[in-house]
Amino acid sequence: GNSVTQMEGPVTLSEEAFLTINCTYTATGYPSLFWYVQYPGEGLQLLLKATKADDKGSNKGFEATYRKETTSFHLEKGSVQVSDSAVYFCALITSPDKLIFGTGTRLQVFP
Amino acid sequence: NAGVTQTPKFQVLKTGQSMTLQCAQDMNHNSMYWYRQDPGMGLRLIYYSASEGTTDKGEVPNGYNVSRLNKREFSLRLESAAPSQTSVYFCASSETAGKETQYFGPGTRLLVL
Repeated sequence: GNSVTQMEGPVTLSEEAFLTINCTYTATGYPSLFWYVQYPGEGLQLLLKATKADDKGSNKGFEATYRKETTSFHLEKGSVQVSDSAVYFCALITSPDKLIFGTGTRLQVFP
Repeated sequence: NAGVTQTPKFQVLKTGQSMTLQCAQDMNHNSMYWYRQDPGMGLRLIYYSASEGTTDKGEVPNGYNVSRLNKREFSLRLESAAPSQTSVYFCASSETAGKETQYFGPGTRLLVL
């Protein structure tokens, strides 16, 4: 079946460090891929998405490239800030209405 | 434009009690969803409504019922709450069913004693 696997957290970084959060997926067909972010006490917000192979999604300095050959959608940011501390969810959707989430990765950024 | 709103924000129930979680969206979206979020498990789909007048089961529907009251509103009902239903519940909506971006509400934190 369809699934998403994310690296376990927490990921702890100093401000201005480089961030990578790994995400790989298993899916039939051609999924769309998403990264959602959840700040403390809030709901999920869409961070970025990609709808086909080799697409790059980007937003707020975050980037992720849809790699069909490695079935991956890793999230990267060149220089993290304390305000980026949150839980990040990788997700995919193939068939209608079935958004499938990874388990989430908590990012903690210290000054 | 409030997006997706949910009430209540927090609720404590005793085992066996019933309650309804309310969700409304003002984006004129056709599709709406209910998820639960549990530690270490990400979000799991409970029920969804692809369009007004239709509802379908998701991954974890047992113990829940839903009503798509109109295009704006989608409620989730727990008829007889159990401690296993302690969770954070999120409502979401999307323009249509399919590979569309889903927009989430702020969540309802439910504790069942």
